[in-house]
Amino acid sequence: EVQLVESGGALVQPGGSLRLSCAVSGFPFENYEMNWVRQAPGKGLEWVSYISSGGTTKYYPDSVKGRFTISRDNANKSVYLQMNSLRADDTAIYYCVRNDILDIWGQGTMVTVSS
Amino acid sequence: DIQMTQSPSALSASVGDRVTITCRASQGIKNYLAWFQQLPGKAPKSLIYAATTLQSGAPSKFSGSGYGTDFTLTITSLQPEDFATYYCLQYYTNFPTFGQGTRLEIK
Repeated sequence: EVQLVESGGALVQPGGSLRLSCAVSGFPFENYEMNWVRQAPGKGLEWVSYISSGGTTKYYPDSVKGRFTISRDNANKSVYLQMNSLRADDTAIYYCVRNDILDIWGQGTMVTVSS
Repeated sequence: DIQMTQSPSALSASVGDRVTITCRASQGIKNYLAWFQQLPGKAPKSLIYAATTLQSGAPSKFSGSGYGTDFTLTITSLQPEDFATYYCLQYYTNFPTFGQGTRLEIK
């Protein structure tokens, strides 16, 4: 069974840092691009990062560029999102998502940025 | 960035109805368009990719059409489990963008 399981969400103060993890199973992880997508409470979906299958190419929207870093460990079938300088508007559910067509989604992990 | 505009933002329909949701891109995206369904409190689920290709496991009641800038998602014979929020996504560029969503409600 294909599974993506996110973890690491928490309550963090503005300006703080957090690292999200996504553990993958059920498919050859090393062959797939991966993404993080977020959804603020009651709002729509926003793509926040991309990493190529080998980990050499990464993309970010302007809203998180310079603050968020995506990485992956193909040996351990995991993808990560390091989030620094967090702001209140980063509060959202963060989803780990497979592929450029976003075909498989994890269940999400909640990040709350508040003092 | 490419802007994706969905319409309507909300739609009321009855069980058994056929509905259509549209998505317009601010510039041409060929067929690099996907559709997703999100049930309340759940993660989004892929329905269609490449504008017209039904995702494995998605019911055939969902169909997509379009090319370039204008796209549609059609749902036939609405059932209670179809009432959800639907999103389009362009993945033509390295910076994918979603439409704002269409909430499908029971009339």
